[in-house]
Amino acid sequence: DIHMTQSPSSLSASLGDRVTITCRASQSIRKYLNWYQQKPGKAPNLLIYGASNLQSGVPSRFSGSGSGTDFALTIGSLQPEDFASYFCQQSYSYPYTFGQGTKLEI
Amino acid sequence: QITLKESGPTLVKPTQTLTLTCTFSGFSLSTSGVGVGWIRQPPGKALEWLALIFWDGDKRYGPSLKNRLTITGDTSKNQAVLTLTNLDPVDTGTYYCVHRRWGYVDSGDHYPQSWFDAWGQGTRVTVSS
Repeated sequence: DIHMTQSPSSLSASLGDRVTITCRASQSIRKYLNWYQQKPGKAPNLLIYGASNLQSGVPSRFSGSGSGTDFALTIGSLQPEDFASYFCQQSYSYPYTFGQGTKLEI
Repeated sequence: QITLKESGPTLVKPTQTLTLTCTFSGFSLSTSGVGVGWIRQPPGKALEWLALIFWDGDKRYGPSLKNRLTITGDTSKNQAVLTLTNLDPVDTGTYYCVHRRWGYVDSGDHYPQSWFDAWGQGTRVTVSS
């Protein structure tokens, strides 16, 4: 199985900050990497697919980068609604696996 | 617009079998490329991909539960059903039904990428005697 490791596990930031969350795969997954946002008590929501492609309807302050084993999700200027948990997920091979999550707090 | 909704019991006893139904709209499981899957999340923990069923009848399972899991699809009812046998308290969590979209995204892709672009609201299952 491909193991996905996110860092940090939690992050404190302020409104307007630029933040970056990283995700590392245990082997190369090319660009087969997706990012999701999850708010408390809600289902996850797709933000980025294919490492850097913004899902329709997602604000442009979200961006993704990386390939191979190292990836990043960047939020350009934190808004109140961005305080949530974020998960990466690989679709390079079965079983699909997720990172352990990053909780973004005010 | 794609919507999915999970249904099933909220409380089950250890050793029992869990059956969850996902009823969806906005797409058909008989359409080429379509996939429907299940993902679960124990309280306060990470997401775990469980299973996928595809338009052509192919099925994929996560290895940790493979011997206990079955996914089936009913194209006439627009449903996907997940069955998990021999339940244990560690199976407690929220179970999500998802729509899988796929496609060639990058010029270097050797095969289509997959992503979960629509999720049900989730159904919370507690395994306890």
